[in-house]
Amino acid sequence: NAGVTQTPKFRILKIGQSMTLQCTQDMNHNYMYWYRQDPGMGLKLIYYSVGAGITDKGEVPNGYNVSRSTTEDFPLRLELAAPSQTSVYFCASSYSDSPNQPQHFGDGTRLSIL
Amino acid sequence: DAKTTQPPSMDCAEGRAANLPCNHSTISGNEYVYWYRQIHSQGPQYIIHGLKNNETNEMASLIITEDRKSSTLILPHATLRDTAVYYCIVMENNDMRFGAGTRLTVKP
Repeated sequence: NAGVTQTPKFRILKIGQSMTLQCTQDMNHNYMYWYRQDPGMGLKLIYYSVGAGITDKGEVPNGYNVSRSTTEDFPLRLELAAPSQTSVYFCASSYSDSPNQPQHFGDGTRLSIL
Repeated sequence: DAKTTQPPSMDCAEGRAANLPCNHSTISGNEYVYWYRQIHSQGPQYIIHGLKNNETNEMASLIITEDRKSSTLILPHATLRDTAVYYCIVMENNDMRFGAGTRLTVKP
């Protein structure tokens, strides 16, 4: 049971570099989410998607972009990496937007920007 | 901002029940109470959720007070592997706001 898979698990970037964090799910979930978690803090929503071709901003979208071309994949793009983006990034998915449907999370990507 | 209040830390003896409290005094009628946990360096793991009735699954039980202003997550027989940060979240429309959670330490 793969669930939500994130790659890479770890990455170090230099300031100004760009990269894409990959997320894929095999549960046929319509909804997908990207969160970031800073040390000792809870998760904050960056972007989410309600289906292929539809994305929307969350609480902290600045400095990030997303796309959703398929149901399975929801990549997160950092265009100009900044030290403030050093964090752990979690992708999640759920079947619908019903509050009765739990979100299921991947194991995260640990990103350091130096 | 998170709409819940949890104690920052708790200890529990191995094999005993762990009772984790959560206050959500401003919860609205359509908001569910969710519990997740995060074991060091892993992604949040879904445990249980409920609206107003008590719920039980293979992992835990969730007790919600009649006025819905507070709830308790019960791990009936805590093991060392249950050591984690436990998050109580109220959610209405997929806006899952995580607070700081309760760090539960299960001791032998």
